[in-house]
Amino acid sequence: DAKTTQPTSMDCAEGRAANLPCNHSTISGNEYVYWYRQIHSQGPQYIIHGLKNNETNEMASLIITEDRKSSTLILPHATLRDTAVYYCIVRVEADKLIFGTGTRLQVFP
Amino acid sequence: EPEVTQTPSHQVTQMGQEVILRCVPISNHLYFYWYRQILGQKVEFLVSFYNNEISEKSEIFDDQFSVERPDGSNFTLKIRSTKLEDSAMYFCASSIRSPGNTIYFGEGSWLTVV
Repeated sequence: DAKTTQPTSMDCAEGRAANLPCNHSTISGNEYVYWYRQIHSQGPQYIIHGLKNNETNEMASLIITEDRKSSTLILPHATLRDTAVYYCIVRVEADKLIFGTGTRLQVFP
Repeated sequence: EPEVTQTPSHQVTQMGQEVILRCVPISNHLYFYWYRQILGQKVEFLVSFYNNEISEKSEIFDDQFSVERPDGSNFTLKIRSTKLEDSAMYFCASSIRSPGNTIYFGEGSWLTVV
């Protein structure tokens, strides 16, 4: 079973930052936090991952709390194309991904 | 950018028939996976494959299913004697063995069993 808790759905206005929360209170010291998204029925798309430190790439930023029990994915300027289901997954290196139900993000004009 | 490619994109098959779904993982990747997603449901892990053998499989991956890496580039999922409930999107994925070990997914093969 998924070891994370995410809101079922969120809305965001186009051009605004989308902040997607994730709780992973039982995370182990060797588990990474991964974020993927799935646009309609396409293959899951990797966004970003981190262990302890905050991370940023061209798609998003990942903020992990100091106790590592929760994290936030930030899409700095959401576009309509960011409408998707976003999955927060905790995983040890080299292990499989276990998907939950994710957060359905709707970006509106 | 390298990507995982899957064929066919959509296949319709009659119940009881055998189906082979094909995948070309990213070229320098060493770990391979199959996942499936029944319409409206979660993405489910089926099997992982490393060093020419199954490293882990889920309860879903019973004797009806098999995987193979027939050559240096392809990775296949065979479903024998398909059932109606096998109708789903099947995703192939691959990863390289390195710190972080990000898994990259293909666009999927939609299987419809009639």
